[in-house]
Amino acid sequence: GENVEQHPSTLSVQEGDSAVIKCTYSDSASNYFPWYKQELGKGPQLIIDIRSNVGEKKDQRIAVTLNKTAKHFSLHITETQPEDSAVYFCAAPQAGTALIFGKGTTLSVSS
Amino acid sequence: NAGVTQTPKFQVLKTGQSMTLQCAQDMNHEYMSWYRQDPGMGLRLIHYSVGAGITDQGEVPNGYNVSRSTTEDFPLRLLSAAPSQTSVYFCASSPPRGPILNTEAFFGQGTRLTVV
Repeated sequence: GENVEQHPSTLSVQEGDSAVIKCTYSDSASNYFPWYKQELGKGPQLIIDIRSNVGEKKDQRIAVTLNKTAKHFSLHITETQPEDSAVYFCAAPQAGTALIFGKGTTLSVSS
Repeated sequence: NAGVTQTPKFQVLKTGQSMTLQCAQDMNHEYMSWYRQDPGMGLRLIHYSVGAGITDQGEVPNGYNVSRSTTEDFPLRLLSAAPSQTSVYFCASSPPRGPILNTEAFFGQGTRLTVV
């Protein structure tokens, strides 16, 4: 089945800096790579996703890049703000049925 | 449109008791999944379903049962609760695009379960 590795487990940045979180996956057939943000006491919410027919996708301060050859994808957050502090998860689909998640990255943005 | 609704929000069980965590969605999604979240372990897939009458095991299925008699509901049953099942449980649903999953999963607010 699919295996997703996520790094780093914790990340601390100053407000205005950029943050990068990286994930690798094992199943070369996977073609959908979402990123979720989880705030305290809530369920995860999708913030951006990418499909394998593109290499990069941007949405305001958030971008995701995908390298299918190397089987890794990354989340980039620019101009970080305190409200970006949360736990971020990457994921990939297991045999096209359910999502397998990385272990998460706790991002702390200090002002 | 309520989205994905999980009940109860909190539950304390004694070792050996059984219970059912409820999950209902009103978006007519075919795909539904159950996850458990533990510190440092991320979200681990317990069971999933690709449609009514079809279920399959995920990464950590032992000690849990599921059924999918309707599109809307996907209950998770703990057969004989153990302290190792203390966790936060999330239910999620997705609309498939074609035959495979490649669209957003919507999550419920979670059930915090403590087994003593």
